[in-house]
Amino acid sequence: SQWGEENLQALSIQEGEDVTMNCSYKTYTTVVHWYRQDSGRGPALIILIRSNEREKRSGRLRATLDTSSQSSSLSITAAQCEDTAVYFCATKPSSFSKLVFGQGTSLSVVP
Amino acid sequence: EAAVTQSPRNKVAVTGGKVTLSCNQTNNHNNMYWYRQDTGHGLRLIHYSYGAGSTEKGDIPDGYKASRPSQENFSLILELATPSQTSVYFCASGDAWTANSDYTFGSGTRLLVI
Repeated sequence: SQWGEENLQALSIQEGEDVTMNCSYKTYTTVVHWYRQDSGRGPALIILIRSNEREKRSGRLRATLDTSSQSSSLSITAAQCEDTAVYFCATKPSSFSKLVFGQGTSLSVVP
Repeated sequence: EAAVTQSPRNKVAVTGGKVTLSCNQTNNHNNMYWYRQDTGHGLRLIHYSYGAGSTEKGDIPDGYKASRPSQENFSLILELATPSQTSVYFCASGDAWTANSDYTFGSGTRLLVI
């Protein structure tokens, strides 16, 4: 619950570069959601990885999950300017509990 | 298309006034949530609901009330608005009975308390 009080991390990369964003969580999770928030919009789910999966791919996105270190990562291959957004991870301690959102990363992709 | 709609999109309120933010969902989700997001920060949970007639306190409920009169509608009420409540407010809905279900968010209400 305290994650939302922290400042967003900021990353700036050039178009065409690969980027990885990390997320560490504090309790067991059944699933990790990664959300993307465009400027002036609400967050939207872009990829989800379950606790029994180590890697999940969707287009240029790749999510990993390491339950032993309680961490997840989101990688974007060959980033484009339109990937500029804020990215949040969210965890779920049990199947029917609320999502717990991480602090978020503000990604800026410049030409 | 299933959606979460928030109104108003923008609101200016005076200190001490009452503000009501509205949220409507057509996803037929049981759960609904209110978050606030301050510039440069993440999402903080204010109130949530498991269904019509239910409201629960989130992580930062002080100064806010919530109302869930129906499955579709969930309101956030600021009885006595203060400048510290200036923020962007997001409503979301989620399916209680699907372990991997995601949240669907509205586009937000930008509130300025002067």
